[in-house]
Amino acid sequence: GAVVSQHPSWVICKSGTSVKIECRSLDFQATTMFWYRQFPKQSLMLMATSNEGSKATYEQGVEKDKFLINHASLTLSTLTVTSAHPEDSSFYICSAGDPGHSYEQYFGPGTRLTVT
Amino acid sequence: AQTVTQSQPEMSVQEAETVTLSCTYDTSESNYYLFWYKQPPSRQMILVIRQEAYKQQNATENRFSVNFQKAAKSFSLKISDSQLGDTAMYFCAAHSGNTPLVFGKGTRLSVIA
Repeated sequence: GAVVSQHPSWVICKSGTSVKIECRSLDFQATTMFWYRQFPKQSLMLMATSNEGSKATYEQGVEKDKFLINHASLTLSTLTVTSAHPEDSSFYICSAGDPGHSYEQYFGPGTRLTVT
Repeated sequence: AQTVTQSQPEMSVQEAETVTLSCTYDTSESNYYLFWYKQPPSRQMILVIRQEAYKQQNATENRFSVNFQKAAKSFSLKISDSQLGDTAMYFCAAHSGNTPLVFGKGTRLSVIA
């Protein structure tokens, strides 16, 4: 199956700093990627849909100026958490859709963000 | 808009026994896809099984099978011969083509030796 990677897998940053998380499709081109957030013992919550070459579509309640998404190429989408605060600590997961198989979405391994 | 409901927050099953996880959904789309994902402690989302709504035949993958009742909008997962490695969170999900997955709240399954 197709592979999606995320980097870093775990990051600790200080309050007020920014953190960038990368999501890459390794063996297919993804015109659309999705970013989810997951709190402990909860389900995945969609944050935004990232489309290659255009602006991301954010879900209601997600601050677009705080969670900057860039989908600059068909294999890379980035999520930047700006001016991070402890409440941004969470598990962030990306997924990518394979245009060749419209029903398939492949998940990255996730990034654990801890803001101190 | 689609919604997915999992009404069993936690379940347990004895090793080698069979367990069924429930899922109901609602959608106005005529073409959609249903999924069961497993999330072990590593938190990597693993696809267990998928079902295309236009297919009447229930999907099966080795020990995993679904009971897809389209009229009732029900999509349950049956795990046969449960193994200790099946212990995980299980999420039911749905989408229509290249759209975001909509997840249920999950069911925590514990397989007991």
